[in-house]
Amino acid sequence: EPEVTQTPSHQVTQMGQEVILRCVPISNHLYFYWYRQILGQKVEFLVSFYNNEISEKSEIFDDQFSVERPDGSNFTLKIRSTKLEDSAMYFCASSELIAESTDTQYFGPGTRLTVL
Amino acid sequence: ELKVEQNPLFLSMQEGKNYTIYCNYSTTSDRLYWYRQDPGKSLESLFVLLSNGAVKQEGRLMASLDTKARLSTLHITAAVHDLSATYFCAVDTGGSRLTFGEGTQLTVNP
Repeated sequence: EPEVTQTPSHQVTQMGQEVILRCVPISNHLYFYWYRQILGQKVEFLVSFYNNEISEKSEIFDDQFSVERPDGSNFTLKIRSTKLEDSAMYFCASSELIAESTDTQYFGPGTRLTVL
Repeated sequence: ELKVEQNPLFLSMQEGKNYTIYCNYSTTSDRLYWYRQDPGKSLESLFVLLSNGAVKQEGRLMASLDTKARLSTLHITAAVHDLSATYFCAVDTGGSRLTFGEGTQLTVNP
């Protein structure tokens, strides 16, 4: 069964450094998402992406964050100048369609980001 | 701002018992999802509920949606240990984001 994959599974970085989290969505999916989950807390939406542009973003997704689909398969989240509070599990998700569709968002296994 | 509230947040139950997890949300939505998360793992889709009165069942889990009451329930029948996990409801208000509840951590004891 197709699944969303993410790399790395765990990233440790120093405060102030830039990180890039990578995702390979399910191949026929058109919509891509990033969510984060701070340890022990609920899952929070960051951004959605369709047709090579951001569809929607949350208040969390400020200028520190950016997303890109650099090729036909990868979807990346870049976090510039990381802060301690960026430590979280970051989940990528994808879906075939949104809005009028019934399609579910399928989540990847996550990247645990630890900022020291 | 959309609020999604689950209760209880923690649930410890004996094998073989029944229980219900509740998910209330604060704005109009016709689409609600239930996900399961095992410790340190990703979110597994359980149910998609698309309209008022929708009911879906899979094994010992049954989910329902009442859009007028802005309430979804996840009912567990004759719980078994394998159901121990955290269960999240998530509401879709027509955009592309899902707004998640806080999660219900379920522990099923032998």
